[in-house]
Amino acid sequence: GAVVSQHPSRVICKSGTSVKIECRSLDFQATTMFWYRQFPKQSLMLMATSNEGSKATYEQGVEKDKFLINHASLTLSTLTVTSAHPEDSSFYICSALSRTGGFGNTIYFGEGSWLTVV
Amino acid sequence: DAKTTQPPSMDCAEGRAANLPCNHSTISGNEYVYWYRQIHSQGPQYIIHGLKNNETNEMASLIITEDRKSSTLILPHATLRDTAVYYCIVSPHRGGTSYGKLTFGQGTILTVHP
Repeated sequence: GAVVSQHPSRVICKSGTSVKIECRSLDFQATTMFWYRQFPKQSLMLMATSNEGSKATYEQGVEKDKFLINHASLTLSTLTVTSAHPEDSSFYICSALSRTGGFGNTIYFGEGSWLTVV
Repeated sequence: DAKTTQPPSMDCAEGRAANLPCNHSTISGNEYVYWYRQIHSQGPQYIIHGLKNNETNEMASLIITEDRKSSTLILPHATLRDTAVYYCIVSPHRGGTSYGKLTFGQGTILTVHP
């Protein structure tokens, strides 16, 4: 099946610094990628939709200036958490949508990235 | 809000079939039923999807009622590695601004025991 890779899988950063998480579609072109956040023992919550070559669309309540999303190519989207604080510590997950509608018309997810802000 | 309802937890004995129900009484005509699962500390894994016909793949079977208001995911021979949170999601299949945006509910925690 399709492969979506995230990097890094785990990152620890100091409060006030910024951290970048990458999401790559390894064997297909993704016109659209989605970023989710998951706190412990909770479900996934959609943060934003990342469209190649255009601005991201953010869900209500998600600060676009804090969570910068760049989708510069058909295989890469990045999420930058700016001025991170301990409450931003979470599991960040991306998903990718194939240009042709997906492998078997499905949406595939990355392995997730654990962010810990100390 | 998620448009599906699932039991919060289920148990299953190893080797037996696991039948996970899902209610989606407000499903629209253009919405498919997707099933994903999430093993602890990993990203969701695609299992299967369908519109109105029953579907089967190497992982599972999906049974959708004729009125499409509910479905059942069947893992025919559950193993310990199938212990995970299972999410039933309805979403447009293609087109529209919502395509690809999946709304996750709380899912069903399936525990497979020896």
